[in-house]
This record gives sequence, C-alpha cells and structure tokens, in this order.
Amino acid sequence: GENVEQHPSTLSVQEGDSAVIKCTYSDSASNYFPWYKQELGKGPQLIIDIRSNVGEKKDQRIAVTLNKTAKHFSLHITETQPEDSAVYFCAAGHPFNDYKLSFGAGTTVTVRA
Amino acid sequence: GAVVSQHPSRVICKSGTSVKIECRSLDFQATTMFWYRQFPKQSLMLMATSNEGSKATYEQGVEKDKFLINHASLTLSTLTVTSAHPEDSSFYICSARALDGELFFGEGSRLTVL
Repeated sequence: GENVEQHPSTLSVQEGDSAVIKCTYSDSASNYFPWYKQELGKGPQLIIDIRSNVGEKKDQRIAVTLNKTAKHFSLHITETQPEDSAVYFCAAGHPFNDYKLSFGAGTTVTVRA
Repeated sequence: GAVVSQHPSRVICKSGTSVKIECRSLDFQATTMFWYRQFPKQSLMLMATSNEGSKATYEQGVEKDKFLINHASLTLSTLTVTSAHPEDSSFYICSARALDGELFFGEGSRLTVL
C-alpha cells in the first residue's frame, strides 16, 4: 500500500517568514495530493491540492509543488501569520483505490509573533 | 467549498452503552464516505470505507461488529460504537468524497467513555 512520509514533525517560524513542509510517497499510481490544516479540536480542512498533471499550484500565500519522478511534494506558506499555526497533513491517493487517502504523520507549525 | 456536517461534536457516555455519530454531506452527494480515528497528536487512522447502499469495507484490525457503519443515502453515513469502553474514547472524523476525488472532512466527534 501507499506510504507517505512527512517532514519535519514540528516547525517554528518567525511571523513573516516562510514555512516549507515536505512529503514523499511510495505508490507511483497516486495522482492526487491534498494538504489539510487541522486546528485543535477540529476536523482537517483542505487548504490546497494538486494532481499529477501539474507541477505547481498556488493560492495566495500557499503553494504546492509536485515532483512525480522523485515522488515528493511540498507545501510552501509565505508571509506566515499567527493564524497559520496549526497541524498540517499531507496525503496521497488515486482513483484505483477509491481515493482512499494515505496521510503523513503531520507537522505542527508554530508562527512566533 | 463543500460542507460536511458531523454530529454530535462531543459525546460522553457510560461504559457498555452504544453511541451513534452522523456524517452528512450538505451540498453534494457522496457515494463514498470514510471514517477515521485520531489519537492525540497523531495522524488520522482510516477505520472503514462507507459506500452508499452496500456494506462498509473495514481496515485491518478494525472490528466491524464493534464499529457499525451504515450509509443509507447519498448524503448520510453513520458510525455506531457498540458497547463502548474507555479505550474507545477518541476523536472520530468522517470525510465525504466528491465525484472528482476531492475529500471534505467533518469537524470531528470527541467521544469520551466513562
């Protein structure tokens, strides 16, 4: 099955700096890579996703890059703000297993004011 | 974006009782819903895949008689924790899959079994 590894497990950045989280996956059939933000006591919220037919996608301060050859994808948050503090999960899935997502272990991001 | 409603958000029950958690997709039809369990400071662990009109598919190690899943309509899936015990206390989260594969999560249900 799919194995998703996520690094780092914790990340502390100064407000205004950038944050980068990296994930690798093992199943070359995976073609859908979402990123979720989870705040304490709440369910995960989709913040951005990318499919294997593109290499990069951007939405305001958030961007995701995908390298299918190397089987890794990354989340980039620029101009971080205190409200960006949360746990971020990457995931991978493909239609052949009903898009059953495999999740990374999560990254706890703390933005210092 | 799409909304998935999960209810109740918190429930406390006595050991031995059963608890039902509902997951509804509010503005789209979801032929597939997923149920997860999350322990503190850990990732989401998939418990089962719920398909409308058919039996749920459980992940290895998840007791199907313990965690009953029903997907009666295209917008509703329920998880019933039967004969709950303190070790069943956890954060349970559902998600609903849209036709393009995009997955939307509910807000989660915190179960505490006394």
